[in-house]
Amino acid sequence: NAGVTQTPKFRILKIGQSMTLQCTQDMNHNYMYWYRQDPGMGLKLIYYSVGAGITDKGEVPNGYNVSRSTTEDFPLRLELAAPSQTSVYFCASSWLSGANVLTFGAGSRLTVL
Amino acid sequence: GENVEQHPSTLSVQEGDSAVIKCTYSDSASNYFPWYKQELGKRPQLIIDIRSNVGEKKDQRIAVTLNKTAKHFSLHITETQPEDSAVYFCAASKNTDKLIFGTGTRLQVFP
Repeated sequence: NAGVTQTPKFRILKIGQSMTLQCTQDMNHNYMYWYRQDPGMGLKLIYYSVGAGITDKGEVPNGYNVSRSTTEDFPLRLELAAPSQTSVYFCASSWLSGANVLTFGAGSRLTVL
Repeated sequence: GENVEQHPSTLSVQEGDSAVIKCTYSDSASNYFPWYKQELGKRPQLIIDIRSNVGEKKDQRIAVTLNKTAKHFSLHITETQPEDSAVYFCAASKNTDKLIFGTGTRLQVFP
């Protein structure tokens, strides 16, 4: 039981490049989330999903896209990377609803130069 | 949508003293209020949570109180120890909605 697995752990992008952050959970959780955490700052919700085929915007969705084709996977796509997207990205999941314990992945540190 | 405010942003205490962190939320329909601890370079982890049908919950040196009328909730840590040093986040959610976090409080416990 690996929990929530994120890849890659670290990545450096050039301005304008695109990439996908991968997130997989093996707990059969319905809810999945992507948060970003800027240095010294709090967790801002980018996108979330309440189940396969359903996604919704969070607080800071601009510049990102997501998909949820299976219960296990919730990839985050960055199009046309900008320096403002330099951050640590956390994927998380919870069982049944948003009102339950979140299990976080280890995080993906992204730098855009 | 839900908005969660958290104070203070930094808190320094002497080992053995108590620490209190306060949060307010905007959506009166929110019914779930967890607290997460994030150590340096690590992922956030749940330390305690409370639901709206309960006014207070304790777990050893940690307690959380909820005032639904005022829409605020607080984390209380007693007999602080150096290993309590971390960033603490409050959050709020409704059953079928997303979890929104506060801005975090950096707690430093000095020996």
